[in-house]
Amino acid sequence: GESVGLHLPTLSVQEGDNSIINCAYSNSASDYFIWYKQESGKGPQFIIDIRSNMDKRQGQRVTVLLNKTVKHLSLQIAATQPGDSAVYFCAENDYKLSFGAGTTVTVRA
Amino acid sequence: DTGVSQDPRHKITKRGQNVTFRCDPISEHNRLYWYRQTLGQGPEFLTYFQNEAQLEKSRLLSDRFSAERPKGSFSTLEIQRTEQGDSAMYLCASSDGQIYGYTFGSGTRLTVV
Repeated sequence: GESVGLHLPTLSVQEGDNSIINCAYSNSASDYFIWYKQESGKGPQFIIDIRSNMDKRQGQRVTVLLNKTVKHLSLQIAATQPGDSAVYFCAENDYKLSFGAGTTVTVRA
Repeated sequence: DTGVSQDPRHKITKRGQNVTFRCDPISEHNRLYWYRQTLGQGPEFLTYFQNEAQLEKSRLLSDRFSAERPKGSFSTLEIQRTEQGDSAMYLCASSDGQIYGYTFGSGTRLTVV
């Protein structure tokens, strides 16, 4: 079936640098995407979302970009901090969520 | 109400035993979801309730799995005759129908030995 997925399983980033996490999706009819952060031993936590009628959305230190032409999403985290170390998932929302496999972000001090 | 609560947090059981997990959603949320997450993977949808009605079940939910939400509040997920392949994190989430209200619990980690 249709699904979303992430390009890289791991990302190591220096504290203070910007992080970019990528995600590709296959369902061209998808119209709502969400990024989640999951820390060890916890459930996924909502970070930011975007609808298909937008190509960019900004939050606090995070920006999501959507390229519908190539069916690609990215999450940018500015000035990455140790507390940003976690697994990040993109998900397609159609009342239920379809998740990709996740990218584990490790922040180096 | 501080969020979605799941109990127990961890469960170790012997193969063939039955287990039951409980989820208490955010009180004003009418939608409740169960997901399963294995190591290194994203959560996979299992089933979904609107109030007390179970509206959808994934193909992942074999006959050994049953979920209930008897009064439209808390929900239980039971696994009968557990198998080693059932070892996973079982996540519950609730929603008021708006995506901003989609909140996950911390999950129940099941280990079948």
